[in-house]
Amino acid sequence: DTGVSQNPRHKITKRGQNVTFRCDPISEHNRLYWYRQTLGQGPEFLTYFQNEAQLEKSRLLSDRFSAERPKGSFSTLEIQRTEQGDSAMYLCASSLLQTHTPGEQYFGPGTRLTVT
Amino acid sequence: GENVEQHPSTLSVQEGDSAVIKCTYSDSASNYFPWYKQELGKGPQLIIDIRSNVGEKKDQRIAVTLNKTAKHFSLHITETQPEDSAVYFCAAGRSSGGGADGLTFGKGTHLIIQP
Repeated sequence: DTGVSQNPRHKITKRGQNVTFRCDPISEHNRLYWYRQTLGQGPEFLTYFQNEAQLEKSRLLSDRFSAERPKGSFSTLEIQRTEQGDSAMYLCASSLLQTHTPGEQYFGPGTRLTVT
Repeated sequence: GENVEQHPSTLSVQEGDSAVIKCTYSDSASNYFPWYKQELGKGPQLIIDIRSNVGEKKDQRIAVTLNKTAKHFSLHITETQPEDSAVYFCAAGRSSGGGADGLTFGKGTHLIIQP
């Protein structure tokens, strides 16, 4: 499968614990995006990378959230001291920066986080 | 920041009929408008997109129209089939130099195709 992959697919954690999610983009895609989706809502943008550089962060991304893409390939999203309000589906998308294209974003299956 | 409104929240149509979903956006700098289909337990799937230099785009049974002046864009699905049942999201964003920034999504439309 050459699509975007995310691991784990499901994560249950207790409030106050730290969690880390991984995203592997489509091969050679140089942009990688993180979104969060709660039940009945559309995805909300969190942050994105171009290669290893983090180019934009939403104000939704509190200090407890940190994302990295150290080698410009896979990315990790860490949430520290999780709260019940962090329960959501965390989606990753990737795109290819290419002249004359709009930069279509292709999504992975998501990681569903439940904080108890 | 950008705000995207989407209507209706639920749409039920008879198989074979057409379905139309409408969105409005607020940021005149947005120039890229993709539509996604999301099935239960899956990530959003890109089905069609349009850039602001084009008024309409078609791909088989799916078409998207854009009115830049009114900041409206719509998804049209003709000859609906049971497999079209899903949640559809519109989105808006800025695209330049071959890439797009983070997208702002609508709240989604649950499309139900009645047999």
